[in-house]
Amino acid sequence: GESVGLHLPTLSVQEGDNSIINCAYSNSASDYFIWYKQESGKGPQFIIDIRSNMDKRQGQRVTVLLNKTVKHLSLQIAATQPGDSAVYFCAEQVRTDKLIFGTGTRLQVFP
Amino acid sequence: NAGVTQTPKFQVLKTGQSMTLQCAQDMNHEYMSWYRQDPGMGLRLIHYSVGAGITDQGEVPNGYNVSRSTTEDFPLRLLSAAPSQTSVYFCASAPARTSGRVPDTQYFGPGTRLTVL
Repeated sequence: GESVGLHLPTLSVQEGDNSIINCAYSNSASDYFIWYKQESGKGPQFIIDIRSNMDKRQGQRVTVLLNKTVKHLSLQIAATQPGDSAVYFCAEQVRTDKLIFGTGTRLQVFP
Repeated sequence: NAGVTQTPKFQVLKTGQSMTLQCAQDMNHEYMSWYRQDPGMGLRLIHYSVGAGITDQGEVPNGYNVSRSTTEDFPLRLLSAAPSQTSVYFCASAPARTSGRVPDTQYFGPGTRLTVL
């Protein structure tokens, strides 16, 4: 992707399998979380969000799970497709006006 | 409807030079922001604006200035470029915030890759 890192953790999955991308967040006071997808040469794109009063939220082929006890967030993608190949970022809201982004995970889908 | 546009796509500067990265949106969004993206660092907020005439600092504002004279435009100025400002810069916009929360559906531009020698 666009300068997103030679050293990103990478998840390789076979087309049709489910993918799970994990994220550890830093601030126990964070109350809102977002997952973004960034394809090569493009800006980040919103995928799904979750508030801290929930532990699970489902979208189309995607599910976000939130475990506040261990400050962990995960993104599950069902039936992964080649078009899902991208870098995925989690972000936490630590103030009303500030998002902190994680470093990202590269998802590679192979046939 | 072009969304969020950024110019230039690529720029090379020498240390000490100044320049302005342009950002425009045609969605009548009140909220606009600038991020930089570095390898292994994710995106970091530089400055943001909640409406014309209002700007505020983000996480890494030093070395950058912004202004918001119109709803559509949110230029980012580098006053005296330094090699540490080599990065990819993203502008984003969103409708007005509700409940005092960062907008979830921020629309990002395609980015400007800046290299400072």
